[in-house]
Amino acid sequence: SQTIHQWPATLVQPVGSPLSLECTVEGTSNPNLYWYRQAAGRGLQLLFYSVGIGQISSEVPQNLSASRPQDRQFILSSKKLLLSDSGFYLCAWSGTEKGPGELFFGEGSRLTVL
Amino acid sequence: GENVEQHPSTLSVQEGDSAVIKCTYSDSASNYFPWYKQELGKRPQLIIDIRSNVGEKKDQRIAVTLNKTAKHFSLHITETQPEDSAVYFCAAISTGTASKLTFGTGTRLQVTL
Repeated sequence: SQTIHQWPATLVQPVGSPLSLECTVEGTSNPNLYWYRQAAGRGLQLLFYSVGIGQISSEVPQNLSASRPQDRQFILSSKKLLLSDSGFYLCAWSGTEKGPGELFFGEGSRLTVL
Repeated sequence: GENVEQHPSTLSVQEGDSAVIKCTYSDSASNYFPWYKQELGKRPQLIIDIRSNVGEKKDQRIAVTLNKTAKHFSLHITETQPEDSAVYFCAAISTGTASKLTFGTGTRLQVTL
């Protein structure tokens, strides 16, 4: 069966510091991968998605970036965090094993920027 | 791109009553409509979905209906229980690559005793 792992689960970072969140998927190959952000009490905002290694599409211009160095690895980064980057970050995957569009989320990373 | 609107933003019902959450979408080519439940501090989890070739789908106490002509779909929860309390998100799939889901803004459901 497929599983998705995301870390770290929580982190507190000062403004201007770098960020790296990592996500890996097991039990599938060539998944579509996504990064979503959820501000406190808000909905899910798609940040990046990837259909393959090295292929990244950005949905919202911001100081974040994403990379996919391996088929089942997706990384969210920032060189300098802003206060507005605080939120709950969710990695997700979809693939051909399930129906098109079915999205499965990681457990999330709660980021607080001070 | 796709735009999904969801109502109400909050909903309070008594245990045993029914709850209905409604969503509308803008892209007539959308063909997949999932519903996610998110408990406090946890990840969203798929609870039910419907594809555009059917009008209704039921799974025990939850059901989803789809009206393609009007471009709206609804989640129905019957005989609500305290454990149904959570935030519910509807979503619709955009056309194009990567099967990008567009989410509604969420409905916070509170089931009171």
